[in-house]
Amino acid sequence: GAVVSQHPSWVICKSGTSVKIECRSLDFQATTMFWYRQFPKQSLMLMATSNEGSKATYEQGVEKDKFLINHASLTLSTLTVTSAHPEDSSFYICSATGTGETQYFGPGTRLLVL
Amino acid sequence: KQEVTQIPAALSVPEGENLVLNCSFTDSAIYNLQWFRQDPGKGLTSLLLIQSSQREQTSGRLNASLDKSSGRSTLYIAASQPGDSATYLCAVTVNNQGGKLIFGQGTELSVKP
Repeated sequence: GAVVSQHPSWVICKSGTSVKIECRSLDFQATTMFWYRQFPKQSLMLMATSNEGSKATYEQGVEKDKFLINHASLTLSTLTVTSAHPEDSSFYICSATGTGETQYFGPGTRLLVL
Repeated sequence: KQEVTQIPAALSVPEGENLVLNCSFTDSAIYNLQWFRQDPGKGLTSLLLIQSSQREQTSGRLNASLDKSSGRSTLYIAASQPGDSATYLCAVTVNNQGGKLIFGQGTELSVKP
């Protein structure tokens, strides 16, 4: 149980375009979802926390207008990287919690902006 | 501000060796501490979770300890195998911050056959 999926698993896009990444909890209702970014050989950095039906809470230094997060249902959150640039190339990972505090992580999405 | 540090950054051992990975955190006000495994280009797999009131947790060949007062945790891997090769991350859940996880930089482990 407690499976989280992400789609797509990897994406290549041109600079200036927008990219949407989906995070789904497959067998539980996710009251809270977290979005992380990981650069090569570095750790995960929390970008934002989202609760279903409310606005996301962004970490300091993360541009909310650039990284749009929508948590429209208890099983789906989306991260949209708007006007992506090469420096946005990274590994994006989501996690979700249900009724407990354990975070279940998705497999990640690798974004490459050319 | 909570900071999590892992030492060493990389470790290479021969198969069969027992090893210890270290994690330290600056603020002892944590809810719990977790150890994760990450294979290259993949997501995270939770290995062990230690609540702040616990001292250790064991799962198979893995044993994790927690000394909250000194801000330290260790992950002990017994009889290492090549399949254990991965990056190991520790993370603390900060009190009263909605389950926010603060990660260390990870230890990249390589177990040579």
